[in-house]
Amino acid sequence: EAGVTQFPSHSVIEKGQTVTLRCDPISGHDNLYWYRRVMGKEIKFLLHFVKESKQDESGMPNNRFLAERTGGTYSTLKVQPAELEDSGVYFCASSPLGVGSTEAFFGQGTRLTVV
Amino acid sequence: KQEVTQIPAALSVPEGENLVLNCSFTDSAIYNLQWFRQDPGKGLTSLLLIQSSQREQTSGRLNASLDKSSGRSTLYIAASQPGDSATYLCAVCGSNDYKLSFGAGTTVTVRA
Repeated sequence: EAGVTQFPSHSVIEKGQTVTLRCDPISGHDNLYWYRRVMGKEIKFLLHFVKESKQDESGMPNNRFLAERTGGTYSTLKVQPAELEDSGVYFCASSPLGVGSTEAFFGQGTRLTVV
Repeated sequence: KQEVTQIPAALSVPEGENLVLNCSFTDSAIYNLQWFRQDPGKGLTSLLLIQSSQREQTSGRLNASLDKSSGRSTLYIAASQPGDSATYLCAVCGSNDYKLSFGAGTTVTVRA
């Protein structure tokens, strides 16, 4: 069974450009989470989908970030326009029920560098 | 707001020695606690998950304990091997919001 997959693995863009990150959760997992680690800091929660609905987006840093989950399958996270402080590693995780009851499975992350 | 602290930040031991990694958290209202391993440039691999009602969980050479009332968890790795070299992350799942709050990690080096 495939794990959580993220695309691309690396992205280097200029300040002001747009970047879209994609996450394919484990098949059948209704819960999908985005997390981010910026340089020197802990991994921080961004948002949580249950199927196609946003359950919690309290961790989204500002309105330059837009997350979608079409049909409750894969998810995209768009950053527009990108700023230098957006650089970091973006992780996606999925679980079949609430994270509270089962393990969270993480993807390998997308390393975003804004120059 | 949940704060998770991992001590030490880095650890270097000779092969064969037992490893003890500590994690503390400020809010005891947790649903579970999960230990992850991260290799350089790679994603997070789940090692052990302890439900809030459990005291410990074991998998092979790994054993994790949980003392929810005092806000502490310890990951023990027996008879360390060079392949155990990685960063180990502790993450606490809140019982109200199901978000994971992560510690900064402990970077382990096992010398051959």
